[in-house]
Amino acid sequence: DAGVIQSPRHEVTEMGQEVTLRCKPISGHNSLFWYRQTMMRGLELLIYFNNNVPIDDSGMPEDRFSAKMPNASFSTLKIQPSEPRDSAVYFCASSTNTGGSGTQYFGPGTRLLVL
Amino acid sequence: GQQVMQIPQYQHVQEGEDFTTYCNSSTTLSNIQWYKQRPGGHPVFLIQLVKSGEVKKQKRLTFQFGEAKKNSSLHITATQTTDVGTYFCAAMNRDDKIIFGKGTRLHILP
Repeated sequence: DAGVIQSPRHEVTEMGQEVTLRCKPISGHNSLFWYRQTMMRGLELLIYFNNNVPIDDSGMPEDRFSAKMPNASFSTLKIQPSEPRDSAVYFCASSTNTGGSGTQYFGPGTRLLVL
Repeated sequence: GQQVMQIPQYQHVQEGEDFTTYCNSSTTLSNIQWYKQRPGGHPVFLIQLVKSGEVKKQKRLTFQFGEAKKNSSLHITATQTTDVGTYFCAAMNRDDKIIFGKGTRLHILP
């Protein structure tokens, strides 16, 4: 099993540019989560999907952030336009249970730096 | 909004000493999970607690869920250098909202 796959692993961009982060969950998992981690705010849940449907997006910081899950094997998190304060590590996780009631398997993360 | 308080934020212990981190919520939780994140790595699931007063053990790690299901603890006996990392609790409240604690960063002094 390859685990949760995220790309890119590192991203450096300039303020105002669009950033797209990608995630492939573990095959057979029906829940997918996007998290952001910073030193100041810790690990924050941004949004999660169940069976490709967004269930809770209350953690999405603002309209510049959007997430999609067009099918069971792929999700994107887009930031447009990006700002320096978006610099963080973004994790994707998947689970076989609805919501967070089961084990979440995290991907390696995307380290984003916005200059 | 609801918060899950995790203490301490940092802990330095001598190798061989014990370590405990605590997770507290103001509201009753449906369940609580514990994760470990090595430096530069990603969170890795350790365990889930569901029942009031539940105690689970994994080798040198002991996990407890409070009787009121509002707090939890992780205790490591006789720490080793491989225990270095940040330990997070992740709580699910009755609204199915997942909230991570800020984590406790454990440093082991040789």
